[in-house]
Amino acid sequence: GQQVQQSPSSLVLQEGENAELQCNFSSTATQLQWFYQSPGGSLVSLLSNPSGTKHTGRLTSTTVTKERRSSLHISSSQTTDSGTYLCVHTGANTGKLTFGHGTILRVHP
Amino acid sequence: DAGVTQTPRHEVAEKGQTIILKCEPVSGHNDLFWYRQTKIQGLELLSYFRSKSLMEDGGAFKDRFKAEMLNSSFSTLKIQPTEPKDSAVYLCASRLGVNQDTQYFGPGTRLLVL
Repeated sequence: GQQVQQSPSSLVLQEGENAELQCNFSSTATQLQWFYQSPGGSLVSLLSNPSGTKHTGRLTSTTVTKERRSSLHISSSQTTDSGTYLCVHTGANTGKLTFGHGTILRVHP
Repeated sequence: DAGVTQTPRHEVAEKGQTIILKCEPVSGHNDLFWYRQTKIQGLELLSYFRSKSLMEDGGAFKDRFKAEMLNSSFSTLKIQPTEPKDSAVYLCASRLGVNQDTQYFGPGTRLLVL
């Protein structure tokens, strides 16, 4: 079945550093989303980016459809960015969502 | 606009009980998903509805889990009978209906089965 691999599994940064999160998927995606989940919190959609590059605030997502990969870049990280970042793939034919296991980000002051 | 709402937010049940979780999707959304989230397994799909029709029932979860969509604005997830391994956060999500659309998640129901 569909697989979504995220790397790294965890990341520790000092405040102000940049983060680069990776997501690789095994089949064509009609949609590729990045979600954020705070500890014990709900899932919040950050960016929907099936192809190309999108920006919002300090976040930049680049999805290369042919290579079946997406990245999320967080610039000038803040302690409030700490949490889990999930990559979610929507299958082109099924509409089914497949989640990566996430990258746990910790930003220290 | 109201987002996805879920009730209750927390539930404690004894082994063998029947519990019913509720979800109201974003108004006008046609797709609804139920997920279970645990630290070990991550997010697992339980059910997927499109226009109230069950598209996917999550395979391994058929036995004691039953999701229903009684109308376009309300869904339930019944777990019967509950087992301690069912302790998890149950998330409901909805989207407009085209596969490219953004999914919106509810706050989740945290279930503890003793």
